[in-house]
Amino acid sequence: GAGVSQSPSNKVTEKGKDVELRCDPISGHTALYWYRQSLGQGLEFLIYFQGNSAPDKSGLPSDRFSAERTGGSVSTLTIQRTQQEDSAVYLCASAARRGNTGELFFGEGSRLTVL
Amino acid sequence: GQNIDQPTEMTATEGAIVQINCTYQTSGFNGLFWYQQHAGEAPTFLSYNVLDGLEEKGRFSSFLSRSKGYSYLLLKELQMKDSASYLCAVPGAGSYQLTFGKGTKLSVIP
Repeated sequence: GAGVSQSPSNKVTEKGKDVELRCDPISGHTALYWYRQSLGQGLEFLIYFQGNSAPDKSGLPSDRFSAERTGGSVSTLTIQRTQQEDSAVYLCASAARRGNTGELFFGEGSRLTVL
Repeated sequence: GQNIDQPTEMTATEGAIVQINCTYQTSGFNGLFWYQQHAGEAPTFLSYNVLDGLEEKGRFSSFLSRSKGYSYLLLKELQMKDSASYLCAVPGAGSYQLTFGKGTKLSVIP
């Protein structure tokens, strides 16, 4: 497709289980971001990938969170031993880095509910 | 780091004009973005300012003053579909990591 694709769109899990969220960015986009948005809150930066450079992991809230990006394209965000406070919408965005606008294109998000 | 402040909520009448303010503090300036986010949907890009002044794009305009660390989004001829959250965002110095404000929830009433 033409846009950023995320899956699953909804995930309900039990506390303590691991979850994987997938992001398929726009083809050719070198930059990929993960953000988290809790109900009624702003976007919280988690991690940023740019080409083959080392990712900026400064926003990951704990060592239970990790992300990888294989082949410079698809990215997976993994949350281990989920907690109720991890419940949020996880948004992925990609950017082409053409020119200097830095416009981000967001996916529809993965809504995670931890019971 | 970056610090962004914008009002939490605003209400305006259909057909009117509304101004949504954003103040920011950043260690290095690389432009300022505005995004629109309808409830339950992904944010979408509205504007990008890197120089001082007003950028007009149809009913929406965005203003920037770098010396004051201040921006506003101006929405004219408000329509009901403009009810959404409006997010101000600035990149970090030396990188393209975007830090978002908490957003301003705009409600347009008849």
